[in-house]
Amino acid sequence: NAGVTQTPKFQVLKTGQSMTLQCAQDMNHNSMYWYRQDPGMGLRLIYYSASEGTTDKGEVPNGYNVSRLNKREFSLRLESAAPSQTSVYFCASSDGQAYQPQHFGDGTRLSIL
Amino acid sequence: DQQVKQNSPSLSVQEGRISILNCDYTNSMFDYFLWYKKYPAEGPTFLISISSIKDKNEDGRFTVFLNKSAKHLSLHIVPSQPGDSAVYFCAASEGGGYQKVTFGIGTKLQVIP
Repeated sequence: NAGVTQTPKFQVLKTGQSMTLQCAQDMNHNSMYWYRQDPGMGLRLIYYSASEGTTDKGEVPNGYNVSRLNKREFSLRLESAAPSQTSVYFCASSDGQAYQPQHFGDGTRLSIL
Repeated sequence: DQQVKQNSPSLSVQEGRISILNCDYTNSMFDYFLWYKKYPAEGPTFLISISSIKDKNEDGRFTVFLNKSAKHLSLHIVPSQPGDSAVYFCAASEGGGYQKVTFGIGTKLQVIP
């Protein structure tokens, strides 16, 4: 009964390093999402994939890239990490139908020094 | 420009009493509204939702009220329990939310035993 699994749970990077955050869901959901949560800002959408083979920018896409590897997996890549990308990153999935909620993973806490 | 506003950052309620969490929105195209609950070091968990064709939805101790003319929704928890202590996020979307969902910044609820 895993739901949405994110790896790693914690990571510390140096400015300029690259990193890929992994996300996998086992609910056969069509849509997947990446959010970041910052103090006083709530959850902000970085990128989403409405269905396998498609990706679209969200509210704050700059500095990130995504790959929808298959129906289960959606990764988020930081090519050259910056301190402003220090945040908690959440992956979510939904079945892609209207009026259905998103289901979240437990997050990746990323610090960039 | 916050389209979903939770103006109370925190709320304290005695166990057994009612908790009322409020949310305002500005986008008149929103037609699907959700509440998520989040414990520390975990991802948000879907709690309850309502579509714009309704003005009330109830699930056990949780009831969401929607006032479309005022662009306001509220979450009522009755009776409140210590396990309800968490951060509650209000969220909203257009077109049933199968793509983008906009989140508020959250309200931290503390239920005092």
